Amino acid sequence: GQQLNQSPQSMFIQEGEDVSMNCTSSSIFNTWLWYKQDPGEGPVLLIALYKAGELTSNGRLTAQFGITRKDSFLNISASIPSDVGIYFCAGLMNTGFQKLVFGTGTRLLVSP
Amino acid sequence: NAGVTQTPKFRILKIGQSMTLQCTQDMNHNYMYWYRQDPGMGLKLIYYSVGAGITDKGEVPNGYNVSRSTTEDFPLRLELAAPSQTSVYFCASSYGDPGANVLTFGAGSRLTVL
Repeated sequence: GQQLNQSPQSMFIQEGEDVSMNCTSSSIFNTWLWYKQDPGEGPVLLIALYKAGELTSNGRLTAQFGITRKDSFLNISASIPSDVGIYFCAGLMNTGFQKLVFGTGTRLLVSP
Repeated sequence: NAGVTQTPKFRILKIGQSMTLQCTQDMNHNYMYWYRQDPGMGLKLIYYSVGAGITDKGEVPNGYNVSRSTTEDFPLRLELAAPSQTSVYFCASSYGDPGANVLTFGAGSRLTVL
């Protein structure tokens, strides 16, 4: 089935560092979404991107919709311990029913 | 508001047993979904529903059944549990189609089949 490739798979960083992760696909998407999943919880939407080239921020988070519409990037600046979790990208595919295709996830660990 | 509530949180099943994962939402959302999450993989859509009385297969429906008799509830049924169904299951809901509406996820149900 369709799947988005995320990298890196995991990151272990020091508090205060900046973080970058990306998501790539062989297919074109019209919408890119970034979710965060806290341990033991369901994913929560962080940022939504609707146009190629769009750059959107949400506090310390910045995400970009790639110009080719086949990729997206998420940056977290000045990381803090509560940034720990799994970050998922998701692309919206229009197959009659608009299906969300999720990435494989990036696990982030932040050391105080 | 409680949002999306899933029960049970954890369950261990023997091969061949059956069970139902319950999901209820109190946001009057029309769309509801069941996903499974396997280690190192993204969420895979099992079934979805666009309203009461309407259900359809997602990407990985084999071994599962659903029903949607009310707007609020969307139970997922496993008839003959198999080890391949060991996973974390998430129920989600949205007001309308996922292209224009945010999905709200439940906290998940961790199922182990031995």
